[in-house]
Amino acid sequence: DTGVSQDPRHKITKRGQNVTFRCDPISEHNRLYWYRQTLGQGPEFLTYFQNEAQLEKSRLLSDRFSAERPKGSFSTLEIQRTEQGDSAMYLCASSSGREGGTNEKLFFGSGTQLSVL
Amino acid sequence: KNQVEQSPQSLIILEGKNCTLQCNYTVSPFSNLRWYKQDTGRGPVSLTIMTFSENTKSNGRYTATLDADTKQSSLHITASQLSDSASYICVVIPMFSGGYNKLIFGAGTRLAVHP
Repeated sequence: DTGVSQDPRHKITKRGQNVTFRCDPISEHNRLYWYRQTLGQGPEFLTYFQNEAQLEKSRLLSDRFSAERPKGSFSTLEIQRTEQGDSAMYLCASSSGREGGTNEKLFFGSGTQLSVL
Repeated sequence: KNQVEQSPQSLIILEGKNCTLQCNYTVSPFSNLRWYKQDTGRGPVSLTIMTFSENTKSNGRYTATLDADTKQSSLHITASQLSDSASYICVVIPMFSGGYNKLIFGAGTRLAVHP
């Protein structure tokens, strides 16, 4: 399968614990995005990587959140000292960056559903 | 203020029937407008992409229309199937967004197709 894969699919944690999610984009896609989606809402942008460089971060990404893409391939999103308000679906998406412009297709993974108890 | 509003919030139809979902947006100027389908517990999948100069785009039984003057778009589903049960999300990309990081999502319409 050459789609965007995310791991784990589900994560249940206690408030105050740290969690880390992984995203493997489509091979050779140099753009990678993280989004957060709460129930009944559309996804909200968190951060964007062009290769290994993190080019933009949303205000939603508090200092408890950190994302990395060390070799320009897979990415990790870590949440420290989780809060109940962090409960959401965390989606990763990638695009090739070759077509340019804003008509380029974005491919989403199936997400990691986080529940903070 | 939500820049992309969708209606209805939810919809139930019988298998084989047609339906139309609405999207009103205030993003201006915009580069393109997209409709995504999102199955429960899965990521969104692109259905159609329309630039600001296009009026309609089809993908099988899905037809999207765009009226840039009234800032409205609709997604028409023909001869619905049980597998069409999903959320349908309208997404607008501003003209000078610099890339996909500026996708603005609506909250979606939850469609349930019953046998």
